[in-house]
Amino acid sequence: KNQVEQSPQSLIILEGKNCTLQCNYTVSPFSNLRWYKQDTGRGPVSLTIMTFSENTKSNGRYTATLDADTKQSSLHITASQLSDSASYICVVSAGTGRRALTFGSGTRLQVQP
Amino acid sequence: DARVTQTPRHKVTEMGQEVTMRCQPILGHNTVFWYRQTMMQGLELLAYFRNRAPLDDSGMPKDRFSAEMPDATLATLKIQPSEPRDSAVYFCASGLVLTREATEAFFGQGTRLTVV
Repeated sequence: KNQVEQSPQSLIILEGKNCTLQCNYTVSPFSNLRWYKQDTGRGPVSLTIMTFSENTKSNGRYTATLDADTKQSSLHITASQLSDSASYICVVSAGTGRRALTFGSGTRLQVQP
Repeated sequence: DARVTQTPRHKVTEMGQEVTMRCQPILGHNTVFWYRQTMMQGLELLAYFRNRAPLDDSGMPKDRFSAEMPDATLATLKIQPSEPRDSAVYFCASGLVLTREATEAFFGQGTRLTVV
């Protein structure tokens, strides 16, 4: 059964600190992995999309890594800001079609001043 | 500033009533997705269209949900009759194909539906 597990479930950090969110998956065959940021009351916003051949991808202060061998991905946030407070959702795709998408339950990040 | 526009933002309706949610995708995007999000289930994909044709709508209860794209600027999701368990936030996203493997999805603000 395809699964995506994210950890931690929630995280509180101080402004300016770094943090790393984890995503472990058992989806097969693997097509791509996406990280989304969702602010409360708003739609998810794509941060990165990574395919099999990509190990690292950055988007500003966000850096995603992918290890296709161990089926793990991480999202590292550098120098956190209050605006980073949101839910971060990992989605793994096994190809096309609705059944090909497996969603993680998200990590709720709160950045405190 | 291109964005996906959803209407209405909020909808409260009585059980048994018809609900229609609308989405205007980003101009030029040829893929449209409908998602539902609840606290219990998280995000789940209901259906998606490419070039206005439904590619996969197996995520929707067929007896009450229907999704259409009457033209390239409008996608609709209809629930008839609505039930309390349909209460959720419904997101529309339009997609830009990056590669054969990846389509980037841009989400709207969502329609928060409450069925009482």
